[in-house]
Amino acid sequence: EAGVTQFPSHSVIEKGQTVTLRCDPISGHDNLYWYRRVMGKEIKFLLHFVKESKQDESGMPNNRFLAERTGGTYSTLKVQPAELEDSGVYFCASSQGGRGPLSNYGYTFGSGTRLTVV
Amino acid sequence: GQNIDQPTEMTATEGAIVQINCTYQTSGFNGLFWYQQHAGEAPTFLSYNVLDGLEEKGRFSSFLSRSKGYSYLLLKELQMKDSASYLCPASGDTDKLIFGTGTRLQVFP
Repeated sequence: EAGVTQFPSHSVIEKGQTVTLRCDPISGHDNLYWYRRVMGKEIKFLLHFVKESKQDESGMPNNRFLAERTGGTYSTLKVQPAELEDSGVYFCASSQGGRGPLSNYGYTFGSGTRLTVV
Repeated sequence: GQNIDQPTEMTATEGAIVQINCTYQTSGFNGLFWYQQHAGEAPTFLSYNVLDGLEEKGRFSSFLSRSKGYSYLLLKELQMKDSASYLCPASGDTDKLIFGTGTRLQVFP
């Protein structure tokens, strides 16, 4: 099966611009997660979708970040306007509904989008 | 608070055995994962432990002690391709994972 796909793999934008990251989860996976790794720090949770609904968005840094998952398939994460501290690697992960990550199946992660804000 | 602690870097020799330790503090506990991540690639699932004890999968084994908040990943017969970062995220009382900074393992010939 195809894995979790993220686009773009790299993005360099200027402070104040808008960037949209996209994640295509594994087909049929109800759970979709966004995580972020800021340089030198640990990976941190941003939010969790179950199908098209936001289950938990407690990790979203502020209202410059907007995540959507229309139709419960792919998801986008928009940063508007981008700030320097938004630079980092944004990971998306997905897991099957009902047999979510809390099992031997774990999450399947994408390769991430490396965002650099200059 | 919730946190994961693991060594930042480790080195080992090809063919040897290495143990990567991980301690965790979470609000509630629903299991601990080990992931391998090569530079620029996706983290790859290695193991999941929720009960005390050792889980063995080929050259890799993972151990958990819930009472001690401790886990380790044991890698046997090290190969050059095992050079990577190893992550041990834990799940607390929700589905989200809590990560540490990861352990960067370098295997030398």
